[in-house]
Amino acid sequence: EAGVTQSPTHLIKTRGQQATLRCSPISGHTSVYWYQQALGLGLQFLLWYDEGEERNRGNFPPRFSGRQFPNYSSELNVNALELEDSALYLCASSLGGLENIQYFGAGTRLSVL
Amino acid sequence: DQQVKQNSPSLSVQEGRISILNCDYTNSMFDYFLWYKKYPAEGPTFLISISSIKDKNEDGRFTVFLNKSAKHLSLHIVPSQPGDSAVYFCAASYRDDKIIFGKGTRLHILP
Repeated sequence: EAGVTQSPTHLIKTRGQQATLRCSPISGHTSVYWYQQALGLGLQFLLWYDEGEERNRGNFPPRFSGRQFPNYSSELNVNALELEDSALYLCASSLGGLENIQYFGAGTRLSVL
Repeated sequence: DQQVKQNSPSLSVQEGRISILNCDYTNSMFDYFLWYKKYPAEGPTFLISISSIKDKNEDGRFTVFLNKSAKHLSLHIVPSQPGDSAVYFCAASYRDDKIIFGKGTRLHILP
């Protein structure tokens, strides 16, 4: 069974541009989560989608947005890129529920120059 | 406000000895706790979890202990093996809400 897949693996952008990151969850998982891991920091929660709806949002500016498609895959969009947006962006999926075990992809490394 | 804290950024342990990773939390509403392991260039991998109704959960070499009164949990790895060298993240959640992760502890297993 395929795990969580993320694309691209690496993404290089310049300041002010937009970045789009993609995530395909494990088959059968309806919840998708996005995290940012900047250098020296832990996993910072960004967004949670379930059944196509945004369920929760972390403490990030509105230029971080996303969506979940009917097939449960998801996109994370970052507009007006800033240098400090350079980080590893991780996507996770889960079945949800009380025992909310999230399964992670390998991440997209975004570099903003 | 950091709700899940891992106060040791790194830890070195001799191969074969016990590794103990600690985690403190501030929100008494958390009812589910997880540990994840992360190798470089890979996503975090689920390791072990514990519900707030328990105080211990064991899976092979890994045991998680939960002390609710102290709002503290720990992960014990025994015996420690070279492949255990990784970053370990403690995480907590309330009902089916988002998971809050700590900043991680880098574990080095020394030969």
